[in-house]
Parts: sequence; structure tokens; C-alpha cells
Amino acid sequence: NAGVTQTPKFRVLKTGQSMTLLCAQDMNHEYMYWYRQDPGMGLRLIHYSVGEGTTAKGEVPDGYNVSRLKKQNFLLGLESAAPSQTSVYFCASSYSTGRGPATVTQYFGPGTRLTVL
Amino acid sequence: QKEVEQDPGPLSVPEGAIVSLNCTYSNSAFQYFMWYRQYSRKGPELLMYTYSSGNKEDGRFTAQVDKSSKYISLFIRDSQPSDSATYLCAMSAIETSYDKVIFGPGTSLSVIP
Repeated sequence: NAGVTQTPKFRVLKTGQSMTLLCAQDMNHEYMYWYRQDPGMGLRLIHYSVGEGTTAKGEVPDGYNVSRLKKQNFLLGLESAAPSQTSVYFCASSYSTGRGPATVTQYFGPGTRLTVL
Repeated sequence: QKEVEQDPGPLSVPEGAIVSLNCTYSNSAFQYFMWYRQYSRKGPELLMYTYSSGNKEDGRFTAQVDKSSKYISLFIRDSQPSDSATYLCAMSAIETSYDKVIFGPGTSLSVIP
């Protein structure tokens, strides 16, 4: 049981390049999330998914796209990377029912460190 | 003004000390409060969860909420070097889903042996 895994762990891009970050979970969770973490800003939600085939915007969705073609995978895409997207990206997952922290634990992956030059 | 604020630290204490970590917030609708621990180059993990005002204790950790002051605290007793991490507070107004949770920027704690 690997929990939540993220690929790659590190990446350096040039401005304008594209890339896809992969998140995989083996806990059969319905909900999956993508966050970015920047110094002094805390974790901010980019997009999330409430089930296979669904996606929704979070707090900072601009410049990112996501897809959830399989329940266990949640992909985050950057079509044209910008220096402002330099950050650490975390994926997370949780059980369904729409309940929050009172009854449902959210599990985070180890993060992907992305630098855009 | 940010919705949730934390002193970024770093906070450095000797082993065995009592640690106090704090967050202030501006949205009086917040009712659900969480503390996460994040080790270096790892994802956050949920440490404590409280609803509304009052205290909650779990081992060496105590979470305290003062809604009248819009202030929450995490106390760590008998701090250990293994407690060295960044501590994030988080909160939400409704219970329904994590997509409504707002995170603070985190306080870096170092416990010196």
C-alpha cells in the first residue's frame, strides 16, 4: 500500500514549456486534490475531483488543467509554464461522501518541486 | 489582509520545552480548525482537529480555539527533536469537504536536543 504517490519529484522547465504531473493513489479514494505551496502563502487549492471523470476549480486554477480519467489517477497539466508557477505541488486524496475533516482523513503525497526559468 | 495568519518563525526551543504555536484569522464563520505537521520535503499530515471553541488534547498535543478572539493555538508539551517540522493551521466554515479549507502559511519549529 503506497498511499499517494507523485511523479516526478523534481522538474525544471523553461518558460512556455508544458508538462504533466501525475498523482496516483491506491486507497480507492473518490476525492483527489491538487495544491501548490509557496513560501508565506500556505497551501492553496488548484483543482479537485469528486470522482472519476469529474473536475472542479479551486482557489487558484488559472494556468492549470486537470483530468481524472481513472479513479486512481489525477493529472495536473501546465500548458505554457510561467515563472509564477514555480512552486511545490502536492496531491492529496480522501474518501467520498463529501464530509470534511470531522470524519474523513485527507492523505497527501510527497510533493513535486517545480522550477520554471 | 490574509484570511489566516501565522508567524513563520523559525521557532527554536530546547528539548523538553513547552511549545506554543498560534494562528489568527479574520473570517468569523470558521468553525472547523485543524493543525497539520509537515516534515521537510514531505506532504502535510493531519495532527489535530477541533470544532468550534474549547480545548482538545491528544497525548503531548493540545489544540485550543478562542472564537471570540479569532485565535487558535497548538501546545506541545515535553517537546522532542522529532517534533521539528513546519506546523500548518487550517480552518473552514463548513464541514462538507476539504475544498473549502483555508491553510495558514505555517510555522517552522526546531527542537534542539
